[in-house]
Amino acid sequence: DQQVKQNSPSLSVQEGRISILNCDYTNSMFDYFLWYKKYPAEGPTFLISISSIKDKNEDGRFTVFLNKSAKHLSLHIVPSQPGDSAVYFCAASGGSGNTGKLIFGQGTTLQVKP
Amino acid sequence: DGGITQSPKYLFRKEGQNVTLSCEQNLNHDAMYWYRQDPGQGLRLIYYSQIVNDFQKGDIAEGYSVSREKKESFPLTVTSAQKNPTAFYLCASKPVFNYGYTFGSGTRLTVV
Repeated sequence: DQQVKQNSPSLSVQEGRISILNCDYTNSMFDYFLWYKKYPAEGPTFLISISSIKDKNEDGRFTVFLNKSAKHLSLHIVPSQPGDSAVYFCAASGGSGNTGKLIFGQGTTLQVKP
Repeated sequence: DGGITQSPKYLFRKEGQNVTLSCEQNLNHDAMYWYRQDPGQGLRLIYYSQIVNDFQKGDIAEGYSVSREKKESFPLTVTSAQKNPTAFYLCASKPVFNYGYTFGSGTRLTVV
């Protein structure tokens, strides 16, 4: 049972435009959400996070939006740059017997074209 | 400089052999995790440990084993019972009262 889903395996945008990456979850007990960025043959690096008590968090070009009623979050990158080309994973934490483990989505490969 | 180190970066194993992947951290983090990445499947949790001398199975623990004898170290053994071990393996750690992980750079295991 996939509790965190990223239904778009890939996304291609033009440099300077907005990139929107989406993530859906099924467990209403999740209370914290994170986005990680990963380059090939490297470990993921933390990008931005949001608590379930908020609906928006912004850090520079990156903004994460959380819609709890829809169990949906999205990552906006504005403006997109070629260096943003990577795989993006959303992750969720919380739920019953919370052990601090993160549940990851399948990832979305973003390509930003110059 | 604090961080988490995985070694080796690339590993080749013959079928039927056990192999151990190393994960060491000097961040003084209590919790450590092993994930496996396969194309199109994201990161799947193999084992995790929240404290020394204690660990729990994740979602895909079959064919794997771990130990946590020291806070800094969380090695993963891929046994011959693991039917499809070729994958990219990621180790991560975090403090107890924090949500975010710090990841290592990964080990690419290939069965030949």
